[in-house]
Parts: sequence; structure tokens; C-alpha cells
Amino acid sequence: SAVISQKPSRDICQRGTSLTIQCQVDSQVTMMFWYRQQPGQSLTLIATANQGSEATYESGFVIDKFPISRPNLTFSTLTVSNMSPEDSSIYLCSVRQGLEGYTFGSGTRLTVV
Amino acid sequence: AQKVTQAQTEISVVEKEDVTLDCVYETRDTTYYLFWYKQPPSGELVFLIRRNSFDEQNEISGRYSWNFQKSTSSFNFTITASQVVDSAVYFCALSEVSGTYKYIFGTGTRLKVLA
Repeated sequence: SAVISQKPSRDICQRGTSLTIQCQVDSQVTMMFWYRQQPGQSLTLIATANQGSEATYESGFVIDKFPISRPNLTFSTLTVSNMSPEDSSIYLCSVRQGLEGYTFGSGTRLTVV
Repeated sequence: AQKVTQAQTEISVVEKEDVTLDCVYETRDTTYYLFWYKQPPSGELVFLIRRNSFDEQNEISGRYSWNFQKSTSSFNFTITASQVVDSAVYFCALSEVSGTYKYIFGTGTRLKVLA
């Protein structure tokens, strides 16, 4: 299965700033997915990122707040913009591996103070 | 709409006890996938199993077993002879098999195995 490198693994940020999370996959994949996991909660899909097109955002998530780049088939970034304490979460990227389901990155644990 | 319900928020067992984690799902799709993932305290998601909606065979993998019953829309997960290392949050998920194949996750069950 694919190996995903996600960084940073954790960060503490000041409110009002932005953080860019990077996700690197060791093989080419068509779709990459970004999830948010708020403390004690389940995972919620933020958006689907396809190479060469705009990301598709789920209800409740907007591009201005969570801009996503997908410059090639092995890399994507998610930016959390103008952060507030409510953005404190684990952010995970994921790729679909054929019929095997999804592989997830190790996550970025973000704390906004 | 698709939905995954894990009614058990937290379960505590003593080591060597058996424990079953419940998962009930809703979907109008006739073809779908069901998954279980483990999230240890370190935070990563570890894939445990994928089940196709056409395959209702139960599966056993070591101390883990899964019971898929389409009639009751359930996909329950049993750990036999639990160990402290099994302590984690376990997520059940449902995936469509077309389009974006996105997941719908349950809210997770936190399992604490006490020594």
C-alpha cells in the first residue's frame, strides 16, 4: 500500500496566522482527501483534491478558509487560514488504494492558542 | 443519506476479556464497502479490514473477528482475549464504490483494556 508522509506532525500556532500542511505520497494517485478530526470527535471530510482541478469541498468547508493545492499526482497541501482556537484538531490526508480502501497519513496535530 | 452509528462511546474491559464493538450503518446504495480502523493514542489510523457489501462471510484474523449482517445493517467487531495494546479508538466507516469513494465515519468507540 502507499506510504504517506505528512508534515508537520504537530504545531502550536497563534490565532490569526495560517499553517500549511504537506502530504507526500510515494506513488501516483488520482484523488487525495483531507480530513479533520476535532478533539474527541470522528473524522470529517474537508475536501477532495484532484490533480489539475479545483478541490471539491464538503458542506461547511470553504476554499478561503482551507485552500488546497494539488500540483502533481504525489503531493498536496492544505492550508488552515486565519486560525482560531476552534481550528485545533488533527488534520489527516488520505489516498484511496484501489479496492483496499484508504491509507492515511500520520496526521498533523494542530493547537491554536 | 449515508450514516454510520457507533453507539458505544467508551468501553472498558479487563485484559483477556472478549469485547465486541458495534457498528450500524445506513445507505441506499446496493454496493458499498465497510471498514474498521484503529486509532492508537499516537493518532494515526490503522486499517483493519474492508468488507464488500456482497460478501457476508464472517472473517477472523488472529484475535480479531468481524460479523457482517446485511439484514440488520451491522458490521460488528470482536476482539478475543483483549490485551492492553488493543486500547485505542476504533472507527467503523462506510464507503460508496463509485464517484469519489469518500468515507463516512462513525463517531468511534474508545476501548480501554485494563491490566
